[in-house]
Amino acid sequence: QVQLVESGGGVVQPGRSLRLSCAASGFTLSTYAMHWVRQAPGKGPEWVAIISYDGSNKHYADSVKGRFTISRDNSNNTLYLQMSNLRGDDTALYFCARDRSAAGRGGMDVWGQGTTVSVSS
Amino acid sequence: DIVMTQSPVLLPATPGEPASISCRSSQSLLHSNGHNYLDWYLQKPGQSPQLLIYLGSNRASGVPDRFSGSGSGTDFTLKISRVEAEDVGVYYCMQTLETPLYTFGQGTKLEIK
Repeated sequence: QVQLVESGGGVVQPGRSLRLSCAASGFTLSTYAMHWVRQAPGKGPEWVAIISYDGSNKHYADSVKGRFTISRDNSNNTLYLQMSNLRGDDTALYFCARDRSAAGRGGMDVWGQGTTVSVSS
Repeated sequence: DIVMTQSPVLLPATPGEPASISCRSSQSLLHSNGHNYLDWYLQKPGQSPQLLIYLGSNRASGVPDRFSGSGSGTDFTLKISRVEAEDVGVYYCMQTLETPLYTFGQGTKLEIK
């Protein structure tokens, strides 16, 4: 079945780095744009980043621009989020999500269960 | 930045009765191509968000037809024709017109009376 599974979360000190992965199965990853969305404890979702189907276009929320990098390996059906210079306000449950379209803005129709990132000294 | 404002924040609903949620944007979400870049999501307790409505009024695959989306420009509405117990959770609207800053509303929590 169509599925997204995130991994790579954990507890990390401020200023350190972490890389999240999102393994896709049941569909052809290369056909869809992909997103990262995060949700801080007790808060609503916050959109983080999007990458087009072929990786040629990437966009970021202002809160992570210059610190986070989204990438994809379509041959291995995997999406990534490289996070650097982490801060306390990056603490959240991080979801990957599939866009209905190749370029984005089609609605996020498949979501993973999320991986937790906790930034603390 | 486009600000999304939902109302009400808390929605007590009666099973079998209709319910509606309003979402207003600080700027028009109507693109020159005729699409309204507004989606609706439901996050059930302990679950990931799920897409209900995309581009303002299109029901996502597998979504019951008791859910409908309407509106254009800056004013949008999500309607549930007959609330069921499984509809509890937090509903979010989200605009995708402004790239790269997609923004969610603050959420509307639907609970059963």
